[in-house]
Amino acid sequence: DTAVSQTPKYLVTQMGNDKSIKCEQNLGHDTMYWYKQDSKKFLKIMFSYNNKELIINETVPNRFSPKSPDKAHLNLHINSLELGDSAVYFCASSYRRQGSNEQFFGPGTRLTVL
Amino acid sequence: DQQVKQNSPSLSVQEGRISILNCDYTNSMFDYFLWYKKYPAEGPTFLISISSIKDKNEDGRFTVFLNKSAKHLSLHIVPSQPGDSAVYFCAAIPYSGAGSYQLTFGKGTKLSVIP
Repeated sequence: DTAVSQTPKYLVTQMGNDKSIKCEQNLGHDTMYWYKQDSKKFLKIMFSYNNKELIINETVPNRFSPKSPDKAHLNLHINSLELGDSAVYFCASSYRRQGSNEQFFGPGTRLTVL
Repeated sequence: DQQVKQNSPSLSVQEGRISILNCDYTNSMFDYFLWYKKYPAEGPTFLISISSIKDKNEDGRFTVFLNKSAKHLSLHIVPSQPGDSAVYFCAAIPYSGAGSYQLTFGKGTKLSVIP
């Protein structure tokens, strides 16, 4: 009965490859997010989808493409992986409303690009 | 341009004593603040929040204080327990009129509670 799940938990790949990370939430939330935690430990928003519509798209290379097939899923596809993409990627979900915006996070996917 | 700052990267406290974690922000549009707790190899988990119309919110051993004029908030944990050892992130959300519900996180403070 995991609330927000991500697969895979670990991903090791070569530079130049294309990879995807999947995220699913069973909380009935209408908004999902992708965050990146880099080597300096900053948690930064990358994307946010509300009811399958992109609402936040921070300055992220266009090699990163989120896809939301439905409200419960938000996948992240990364093309032409680079060394600097190595980080922990967290998926999160919430209701989109003012005030109580507790976001629930998945366990993270540690991506290592060699 | 860090809008949410946690200037202490780490804090050590004896079990049973009070832990005080601090957070400063620069964006006056922030009006909702949250604390998250993170264990290694896990995602952040929501701990407690406070709206800008309040100056204090309490939940069990956890209390968050907000000083809007100083753009400062703090998380108090009393009494501290070894299981509280984790990284604590402060986060902020701007006023809805800004059109975004985006969380901006601080860099985190690693709390170690010594038995």
